[in-house]
Amino acid sequence: GENVEQHPSTLSVQEGDSAVIKCTYSDSASNYFPWYKQELGKRPQLIIDIRSNVGEKKDQRIAVTLNKTAKHFSLHITETQPEDSAVYFCASSSNTGKLIFGQGTTLQVKP
Amino acid sequence: SAVISQKPSRDICQRGTSLTIQCQVDSQVTMMFWYRQQPGQSLTLIATANQGSEATYESGFVIDKFPISRPNLTFSTLTVSNMSPEDSSIYLCSVDGLWVAGGTFYNEQFFGPGTRLTVL
Repeated sequence: GENVEQHPSTLSVQEGDSAVIKCTYSDSASNYFPWYKQELGKRPQLIIDIRSNVGEKKDQRIAVTLNKTAKHFSLHITETQPEDSAVYFCASSSNTGKLIFGQGTTLQVKP
Repeated sequence: SAVISQKPSRDICQRGTSLTIQCQVDSQVTMMFWYRQQPGQSLTLIATANQGSEATYESGFVIDKFPISRPNLTFSTLTVSNMSPEDSSIYLCSVDGLWVAGGTFYNEQFFGPGTRLTVL
């Protein structure tokens, strides 16, 4: 079945450093790849997404890259700040709209 | 974007009982989904709530356990039936294909605040 693998499960960085989270998907029909940030006790918040017709998308300090051939996509956060600390989830979707989520990455940014 | 609300926000229930969770959006949406998030885990899709017809369930989830209704473009309910402690989880609705005032269309998925269910 459809599957999304996410690594690492935990990531600790120093404030100001960069953080990279990687995901791999299995369904060749996947064409939409969102990233969600979930703070403790809160709902997942969409922070950036990418569709299969582009290879990279950037929004201020966050960027996402997609390699459709390898079925990889990654989240890059530059100049990390303590408020970036949260759990990050990648997901993939085809035209059905159903999201298949990765296992999540707990990011800790140390001041 | 839009306001997505869920009721109740949390509940503590006895095993063997049922709980119905409501999801309300203040704008019309194309698609509505229900997810489960067990403590410290990722999100798992339960089903797609189809307007005016039976929901489409994912593997491992069945209608008798999780009946779903979607009577219109802004509202859906999920019932957790004959509950056991293993059903303790956060249940989230999500919406996709969102029309907001002014004609803006969001082809992205947004989540409700979740319902935290504890079964004793």
